[in-house]
Amino acid sequence: QKEVEQNSGPLSVPEGAIASLNCTYSDRGSQSFFWYRQYSGKSPELIMSIYSNGDKEDGRFTAQLNKASQYVSLLIRDSQPSDSATYLCAVLFSGNTPLVFGKGTRLSVIA
Amino acid sequence: EPEVTQTPSHQVTQMGQEVILRCVPISNHLYFYWYRQILGQKVEFLVSFYNNEISEKSEIFDDQFSVERPDGSNFTLKIRSTKLEDSAMYFCASTGTSSVNEQFFGPGTRLTVL
Repeated sequence: QKEVEQNSGPLSVPEGAIASLNCTYSDRGSQSFFWYRQYSGKSPELIMSIYSNGDKEDGRFTAQLNKASQYVSLLIRDSQPSDSATYLCAVLFSGNTPLVFGKGTRLSVIA
Repeated sequence: EPEVTQTPSHQVTQMGQEVILRCVPISNHLYFYWYRQILGQKVEFLVSFYNNEISEKSEIFDDQFSVERPDGSNFTLKIRSTKLEDSAMYFCASTGTSSVNEQFFGPGTRLTVL
C-alpha cells in the first residue's frame, strides 16, 4: 500500500515568516514529487515539482527532497495571507501512474 | 495559458440516476485522469486513460463507472446509478508531453447525490 503522510495542521505562521511543510512517503522507489496548493472548494494547483535529491527554488517556494529518508518538504518564504490554503503533497511512484496524495496540511498566515 | 476545463461546475442528482461529467484536457496532452475528493478527505485516484483505453483504475472505479473519449477533445466520466456516497468533487487531470509527470487539474465538478 503506497502511502503519503502529512501533518494535517493547521499550521499558523505570522505574515513575513517562513512556513515549513513536511511530507513522508512509503515507497523508496518513488520517482517524482509534487506540491499542490488547494484553496477551499477549489481544485489542486501545481506549485512545485522535484525529482532529484536536494533543493529546488522557485520564487518564494523551495522544495527539498531526501530520498534516503523518504522525505519531501516545502518552504514558503515571506509568507503572505494569500498563501493561506491547504498544501497537498503528491507522489508519483513510477512512470505515468496515478498521483498518490497526502491528506494535506492547512496553512494559515496571520496578518 | 492552456488549461483543463470541466463541466458542469455543480451537478445535483437523485440517487440511482446516471450522470456524465465532462472534461476537456489540455490539447496536446496524452494521459488523462479522473480523481475525486470527498469533503474533508484526500484526493483519490479513480482511473487513468491513455491511447483511447483505460491504463489503470482503482478499487473505487467499479462497474458503475465508465470513461470515454468520444472525440478528439472531450473526456467523460459516467456514473450509471449514483449512490449517496458518490457525492464528492470530481477532478479531471491531464499530463503533457514535455514534462510528462506534471498533472494539471481542472476546476472540478461538485456532484451532490440526494
